[in-house]
Amino acid sequence: QKEVEQDPGPLSVPEGAIVSLNCTYSNSAFQYFMWYRQYSRKGPELLMYTYSSGNKEDGRFTAQVDKSSKYISLFIRDSQPSDSATYLCAMNPFGNEKLTFGTGTRLTIIP
Amino acid sequence: DSGVTQTPKHLITATGQRVTLRCSPRSGDLSVYWYQQSLDQGLQFLIQYYNGEERAKGNILERFSAQQFPDLHSELNLSSLELGDSALYFCASSVDGRPNTEAFFGQGTRLTVV
Repeated sequence: QKEVEQDPGPLSVPEGAIVSLNCTYSNSAFQYFMWYRQYSRKGPELLMYTYSSGNKEDGRFTAQVDKSSKYISLFIRDSQPSDSATYLCAMNPFGNEKLTFGTGTRLTIIP
Repeated sequence: DSGVTQTPKHLITATGQRVTLRCSPRSGDLSVYWYQQSLDQGLQFLIQYYNGEERAKGNILERFSAQQFPDLHSELNLSSLELGDSALYFCASSVDGRPNTEAFFGQGTRLTVV
């Protein structure tokens, strides 16, 4: 079993819809949680970062962490065609710098 | 543009060969990470260096080695290449390598082993 599980999709939604992306994990030592966006033929870029449980909002993006359920989510409001990309969750334990990534969810926003 | 430069962008080589991938971190960044991205395994952490010293190691094969030089650029050496080594190899850099510090990724080197 992988430490981090992420539905690979693909996920297609109409423009303007709310998108929900999720990851589950098994390692209770994970403390730092990130979401990366990766466009085709590009490297991943950091979207959101949260520490421990709770919510964090940044513009149209909201990240949620539920450590009791070992479940993290990324919500995208008012989705735009430019949001079409692969979204990767990533996490690591406190004091350990290596990131463990999910396999990514491929998202397409249909105009 | 993240500021992290990887060369070459594409590499095609035969099984059994050895290749070197190069990474120049963002100006001022002391920590460099190497990741392998394949279709079936996703993005896998290989190794991290901080200011020339190895800091963390992931699932890096013994056939693979890396180093970070005094000018902070890094090289990933892959030897005795196998078909299964075909993947995208990413380098990332961060200022201090701490878990809560953003790492910036380069555009990757696509390695094809034939």
